[in-house]
Amino acid sequence: DAGVTQSPTHLIKTRGQQVTLRCSPKSGHDTVSWYQQALGQGPQFIFQYYEEEERQRGNFPDRFSGHQFPNYSSELNVNALLLGDSALYLCASSLGGPGPGYEQYFGPGTRLTVT
Amino acid sequence: QQPVQSPQAVILREGEDAVINCSSSKALYSVHWYRQKHGEAPVFLMILLKGGEQKGHEKISASFNEKKQQSSLYLTASQLSYSGTYFCGTVDYGGSQGNLIFGKGTKLSVKP
Repeated sequence: DAGVTQSPTHLIKTRGQQVTLRCSPKSGHDTVSWYQQALGQGPQFIFQYYEEEERQRGNFPDRFSGHQFPNYSSELNVNALLLGDSALYLCASSLGGPGPGYEQYFGPGTRLTVT
Repeated sequence: QQPVQSPQAVILREGEDAVINCSSSKALYSVHWYRQKHGEAPVFLMILLKGGEQKGHEKISASFNEKKQQSSLYLTASQLSYSGTYFCGTVDYGGSQGNLIFGKGTKLSVKP
């Protein structure tokens, strides 16, 4: 049973550049959520995709955008990178769309460093 | 509103017990517990839902007091493998459905 996979594992970008992170959900899952985790902090919700649409969004600027494909995989795009965007970006998958009772399974994350 | 976890850190000897608390200022639909080891992804432990339903995958118990908007995670007869940072995530009535808000975490260290 394939778990959540993310690519790349690590990424170094320069301030002002753009980055795309990728996520494949756990087999059988149709919902993908993205989180940003700063060092020593809990994950912070960015947005959630279900049925190829953004269903919910956290308190992140429009520089953060995403996409979900028909095979349920997802991308997170960040434009005009800032030093403060350096963090671990986690993807989590679940089944059945938005809802308070759905188990979310996390991928290993992408460590983004902005210099 | 971010839930508050306590304690921030705890050190145990193998076989000892611990309780980790999670408290919110908002009425909650559900509380989710995760454990994260250094450099790894958070691992799902348990969901506690309004109304008493629980879903979990490990031999870890937890409680959810809806009136007090609090949840506690009970780690009994701790093992070395229990070491890591424990996060609670909450879904409240004020936020969007399924939008998990995580606490800052409780770092648990189990020593031999």
